[in-house]
Amino acid sequence: DSGVTQTPKHLITATGQRVTLRCSPRSGDLSVYWYQQSLDQGLQFLIQYYNGEERAKGNILERFSAQQFPDLHSELNLSSLELGDSALYFCASSEQGLGQPQHFGDGTRLSIL
Amino acid sequence: GQQVMQIPQYQHVQEGEDFTTYCNSSTTLSNIQWYKQRPGGHPVFLIQLVKSGEVKKQKRLTFQFGEAKKNSSLHITATQTTDVGTYFCAGPGAGSYQLTFGKGTKLSVIP
Repeated sequence: DSGVTQTPKHLITATGQRVTLRCSPRSGDLSVYWYQQSLDQGLQFLIQYYNGEERAKGNILERFSAQQFPDLHSELNLSSLELGDSALYFCASSEQGLGQPQHFGDGTRLSIL
Repeated sequence: GQQVMQIPQYQHVQEGEDFTTYCNSSTTLSNIQWYKQRPGGHPVFLIQLVKSGEVKKQKRLTFQFGEAKKNSSLHITATQTTDVGTYFCAGPGAGSYQLTFGKGTKLSVIP
């Protein structure tokens, strides 16, 4: 158990819809990261937050947004969903977010029908 | 931007054979990290190397960090079926907060 909690585990929705993925980091970790993993693909970095502030942005679409709340949990919002957004979305956390090892949650599998 | 490449993409080995995956970065890394993702699972941190030329061992796994801090390798001796999974290397570029992951090497072990 990594200590990182992601909900929900599975999400099935239709094109054009909006969903919210939730992540609670490991106790004591201040930084949260979001990744997208498509079938048999690597990990695409989306965005990083540190102690409530956005720290780094990767290949995140304009239709996607995220935030980290004062209690350090984070949410990833995906809107105007397209078939190609079907993927596994991982949240990870680390202590300080300065290139340190990351601890991953079990992921949310998003299926767009 | 920084790119991290891993080869091979896939490797099938007979149980008991050795396995090596290589990782190359387009820029100097402040450290290199290795992760393992079992089928249907999430990436799990294995190890971090920080010093130029560093070598670390974990039982049958040997990790190396290149002298120029731009490449790394993971070697598994006498593979077992429990070694099955995808091995990712990742590293932050100098002055960067984020990890750039390689696309991974998917290891299959034939019993």
